[in-house]
Amino acid sequence: GDSVTQMEGPVTLSEEAFLTINCTYTATGYPSLFWYVQYPGEGLQLLLKATKADDKGSNKGFEATYRKETTSFHLEKGSVQVSDSAVYFCALSEYNNNDMRFGAGTRLTVKP
Amino acid sequence: DAGVTQSPTHLIKTRGQQVTLRCSPKSGHDTVSWYQQALGQGPQFIFQYYEEEERQRGNFPDRFSGHQFPNYSSELNVNALLLGDSALYLCASSPSGGGWNEQFFGPGTRLTVL
Repeated sequence: GDSVTQMEGPVTLSEEAFLTINCTYTATGYPSLFWYVQYPGEGLQLLLKATKADDKGSNKGFEATYRKETTSFHLEKGSVQVSDSAVYFCALSEYNNNDMRFGAGTRLTVKP
Repeated sequence: DAGVTQSPTHLIKTRGQQVTLRCSPKSGHDTVSWYQQALGQGPQFIFQYYEEEERQRGNFPDRFSGHQFPNYSSELNVNALLLGDSALYLCASSPSGGGWNEQFFGPGTRLTVL
């Protein structure tokens, strides 16, 4: 079945460092791909999404490109801030399938 | 726009008891999904409700059941609670219409089973 594999954490960076969180997926069809962020004590917030190959999702300085050839959707940010500290989840959703699949999450801590 | 709301925020139960969690979807959304998020894990799909019926179900036992009301709000019921049911339960809503469903999540209900 469909699945998502994320880079294991935790990840600790200094403020203004470059961030990459790797995400690869296995899917039978043509999924949409998502990055969600979860701040402490809160639910999941959609960070960005891409619905087809070569699409780039972006939001709040974060970017991810849907790479069909490598089945990847890596999250990047050029300069992280302390406020970016959270758990990041990669997820996929197949067309007309309501079972959204999530990776295990990557905890990011940004130190001043 | 209130977004997705869930109640209660926290809940403590003992093994064997039953629990009901509640969810109100985002305005304009008529589809509600429930997820279980164990500590340190990603959310796992329990089921989805649309038009007051269970439309799709994940790999969860029958102890997990749900309901959707005419105003699109939903309940998740768990019977005969086990220690392993301790988790954050997330409700997510989306508009109907098929396709790739972007889901909006609520803050969750933290269930602890002692």
